[in-house]
Order: sequence, then C-alpha cells, then structure tokens
Amino acid sequence: EPEVTQTPSHQVTQMGQEVILRCVPISNHLYFYWYRQILGQKVEFLVSFYNNEISEKSEIFDDQFSVERPDGSNFTLKIRSTKLEDSAMYFCASRGPAGELFFGEGSRLTVL
Amino acid sequence: DAKTTQPPSMDCAEGRAANLPCNHSTISGNEYVYWYRQIHSQGPQYIIHGLKNNETNEMASLIITEDRKSSTLILPHATLRDTAVYYCIVRVYEPNFGNEKLTFGTGTRLTIIP
Repeated sequence: EPEVTQTPSHQVTQMGQEVILRCVPISNHLYFYWYRQILGQKVEFLVSFYNNEISEKSEIFDDQFSVERPDGSNFTLKIRSTKLEDSAMYFCASRGPAGELFFGEGSRLTVL
Repeated sequence: DAKTTQPPSMDCAEGRAANLPCNHSTISGNEYVYWYRQIHSQGPQYIIHGLKNNETNEMASLIITEDRKSSTLILPHATLRDTAVYYCIVRVYEPNFGNEKLTFGTGTRLTIIP
C-alpha cells in the first residue's frame, strides 16, 4: 500500500542552525501539507502546497519556514534558523481522491 | 470549519465494539465528517468519512444522525492496537481545492482494556 515517507526520523540540531525535513508524498497525489505537534499538544497545520506554490499557511509558518518541491517526488520543509520552540514532531501529508489526508510517520526535531 | 465536541477519554474491553461519539451541531450542509486516529506519537491515520449516509470500511463504521448534528464512530471488535486518540473533524471538501486544512482538536483518548 502506498505511503508517505519522511526523513530523517529524528534530528538534533543547535539553535540557529538550518534544518531541512524531507517527505516523499504518495506518487499520484497533488496536494501536500506540513503539520507539527509539540509534545503533549495538538496537531497544528503549518502549510498546504499545490501546483508548486503555497495555497495556505498558518500564523506559525513565518519567514523562517519555507517549503519546496525540488523534483517530482520530494517535498521539503526548511527552517532557516531554528529556535528552541521549534522542537516538535513534523508530519508531512498528501491528499487522496476523497479529501482524506495520508500522513507520514513524522520527523522529530530537537533543538538544543 | 464547524466545531466538534468529543469526550476526552473512553475505555473499551478488548473484543467489544467501541462507540466513539462526536457532536457537531453547527455543521453546514457541505461539510463532511472525517475521523482520524493517532497512535502514540505516530502520524495521524485516516479512518473514514461521510456526508450524511452511514459509511463502512474495513476499519470502522460511521453513523451520522439524520439531522447531521452528531455522529458515532464504531470499531466493531476492538483490539489492543486500537488504543489511540481519535479525532472527529468536520470540514468542507471540494475536489478542486487543496487547502481544506484539517483542524485537530484534543480528540478522545480510547483505551482498550485486555
């Protein structure tokens, strides 16, 4: 069964460093998303992406964040200068034909 | 998107049917009911969705009341692996739009008891 894959599963970084989280959405999907979940809190929407551009973003998704689809398969989330409060699980998702979202297993980001 | 209300936690005995309620009294005519679950810290998993008719798939059944103000997710024979947080989410779905973001609440923490 096709699935969304994310790498790395866990990344530890120093505050101020740049981080890139990678996702491979399900191959015939066209809409992609990033969500995050701070430990013990709700799953929060960050950004949606379609046709090589952002279709919606949340207040969390400020100038430190960017997304890109560099080729036909990868979808990346970049955090330019990480802060302690960026520590969270980051989930990538792609949308199926009935509007259902398929999520990856997540990338745990720890900022020290 | 319409707001939903779910009980914070429920227990269910292994092998029994787990019935998870959700209230969505302000649902609009073009809003669907979606159910997801999150096992521990894994990514949310899609379970089922519906508009107004009852739906069934290999994972669960979804019963939506006639006035669409509430629904119940049914796991027919709960196993220990069904222990998770279950989210009921109401949102518009339009095939040609991509930005129907999901807004997750706190969900129902379902514990399956051996």
